[in-house]
Amino acid sequence: GQQVMQIPQYQHVQEGEDFTTYCNSSTTLSNIQWYKQRPGGHPVFLIQLVKSGEVKKQKRLTFQFGEAKKNSSLHITATQTTDVGTYFCARGGDSSYKLIFGSGTRLLVRP
Amino acid sequence: DGGITQSPKYLFRKEGQNVTLSCEQNLNHDAMYWYRQDPGQGLRLIYYSQIVNDFQKGDIAEGYSVSREKKESFPLTVTSAQKNPTAFYLCASSMGGLQETQYFGPGTRLLVL
Repeated sequence: GQQVMQIPQYQHVQEGEDFTTYCNSSTTLSNIQWYKQRPGGHPVFLIQLVKSGEVKKQKRLTFQFGEAKKNSSLHITATQTTDVGTYFCARGGDSSYKLIFGSGTRLLVRP
Repeated sequence: DGGITQSPKYLFRKEGQNVTLSCEQNLNHDAMYWYRQDPGQGLRLIYYSQIVNDFQKGDIAEGYSVSREKKESFPLTVTSAQKNPTAFYLCASSMGGLQETQYFGPGTRLLVL
């Protein structure tokens, strides 16, 4: 139904390596949001993607929305220890104000 | 200084007690939400409110209750009926409307003794 599947669950990388997390839906999404939660902290909004095939960049972070609007990805180039945290994607509910969050991808970076 | 505040930061509860977690926002947002997060897990929606004096159950409402008497406040009560209440509780708000960005408070860690 409205769930979003997020993979991988965990990713452990060496500092300087790249990282990608994927968010998949069985139904077409009107938009997708990405949030980051640092260890011990609260989720913070990163970006929202709306258009089919949209690509947005924030420094070393690249966000993509699939052509069919059923999947999205977050790619981090040359990870740093400050990238450590859990990255969540979220989709809107079809008829309410709530967001439906993916299970998150936990990124660990070895210095 | 706009934002969402939650108090307390840490809360200890004895078994059988009800406790109330505070959430206040001065962002003039219509919608507010409560999530529960267990260690290493994602966010699970407890209750949400799209407008004052109205709220709906989320995915795990059993053992919890809320009220929305004022636009800026959305307190959550963890009742004794909640058998495993130890968790990190996050409050969020949004402008209201579909697919609006949510802004989270710093959270309250509840520990049952």
